[in-house]
Amino acid sequence: DIQMTQSPSTLSASVGDRVTITCRASQSISTWLAWYQQKPGKAPKLLIYKASSLESGVPSRFSGSGSGTQFTLTISSLQPDDFATYFCQQYNSYPYTFGQGTKLEIK
Amino acid sequence: QVQLVESGGGVVQPGKSLRLSCAASGFTFSNYAMIWVRQPPGKGLEWVAIMSYDGSDKYYADALKGRFTISRDNSKNTLYLQMNSLRGDDTAVYYCARNLIQYKSLLGYFDNWGQGTLVTVSS
Repeated sequence: DIQMTQSPSTLSASVGDRVTITCRASQSISTWLAWYQQKPGKAPKLLIYKASSLESGVPSRFSGSGSGTQFTLTISSLQPDDFATYFCQQYNSYPYTFGQGTKLEIK
Repeated sequence: QVQLVESGGGVVQPGKSLRLSCAASGFTFSNYAMIWVRQPPGKGLEWVAIMSYDGSDKYYADALKGRFTISRDNSKNTLYLQMNSLRGDDTAVYYCARNLIQYKSLLGYFDNWGQGTLVTVSS
């Protein structure tokens, strides 16, 4: 199985900050990676697919990059609505696997 | 708009069975692969199973193979998850989602999710 490791597990930041979350795969997954946002009690929401493609309707302050084993999700200027938990997911091979999540908290 | 509504969750005793349903609307259900993902309380996401648009192809998480069965009825726009021999560690919110195929063997990402249904396995 491909292990997905996110860092940090928790991130404290302020409105307006630029933040970056990292996801590392245990083996190369090309660009077969998605990012999701989840708020408490809600379903995950797709933000980014194929490592850097922005899902329709997602604000342009979200961006993704990377290939192979190293990936990043960047929020260019944090908004109050962005405080949530973020997960990466690989779809290079079965089983689909997710990172453990990064909780973005208000500083 | 795309809507996925799960149902069938609840409290069930260890060793018993439960069938979850996911009713789809707002898109042509029979054109899409569908998946189940679960999330234990306070924990991360775990993929459970995937089924192709016509039900001819399916894959499971190894740890659940043999106990869980994914199926669909395209005439009813509904996805199912039959769960047998339930254990305490199956306690989770179960989500269905639409899988957009990007690669071989149905591999892809999940663009629309239901709200989830909670399954609690407890005596």
